[in-house]
Amino acid sequence: RKEVEQDPGPFNVPEGATVAFNCTYSNSASQSFFWYRQDCRKEPKLLMSVYSSGNEDGRFTAQLNRASQYISLLIRDSKLSDSATYLCVVGTGGGNKLTFGTGTQLKVEL
Amino acid sequence: DTGVSQNPRHKITKRGQNVTFRCDPISEHNRLYWYRQTLGQGPEFLTYFQNEAQLEKSRLLSDRFSAERPKGSFSTLEIQRTEQGDSAMYLCASSPGTSTEAFFGQGTRLTVV
Repeated sequence: RKEVEQDPGPFNVPEGATVAFNCTYSNSASQSFFWYRQDCRKEPKLLMSVYSSGNEDGRFTAQLNRASQYISLLIRDSKLSDSATYLCVVGTGGGNKLTFGTGTQLKVEL
Repeated sequence: DTGVSQNPRHKITKRGQNVTFRCDPISEHNRLYWYRQTLGQGPEFLTYFQNEAQLEKSRLLSDRFSAERPKGSFSTLEIQRTEQGDSAMYLCASSPGTSTEAFFGQGTRLTVV
């Protein structure tokens, strides 16, 4: 079983739609959680950290369920510029080792 | 530019040759990571350093791969006797502390022919 699992997609959605991505992780001792965004042929960049209480940043909402070892990302009112690959990232070993999922590809269309 | 810097950006080499990549992290970031990424996959962990100490090395990193961070600042990743399967994007990232985000460089794209 992979340490971090994501549905690779692609998710093709119309502009303005709400889309949700899920991620599961296998190591119950994981201590930190992130969503990264990666544009085609670019390096990954942090989208947001994920906290147990859930957190929101504009149109983006991230949730963590430690009991189920599950992380989610919700994007509301999708924009064309949201088209990218979204990577789920889990920190283990005191949060030092960051393990990435394979990424979920999002395509927002007119 | 105070971001993570990687050199070279692109490298084409013949099978069997040795290659070395360099990463300059963000100043004062004590953690430095190396990842490998192939098309359609997420970044795959290779190794990481805290200051000059190499704390973990992936099982995927064969003995042809070696990484160093001699003074706790820049790092090098060397691949000996390259194989076609080594063709990938090699990403370096740095982080200021525990459980904090990692900042990535633009990567070195290796093509082994």
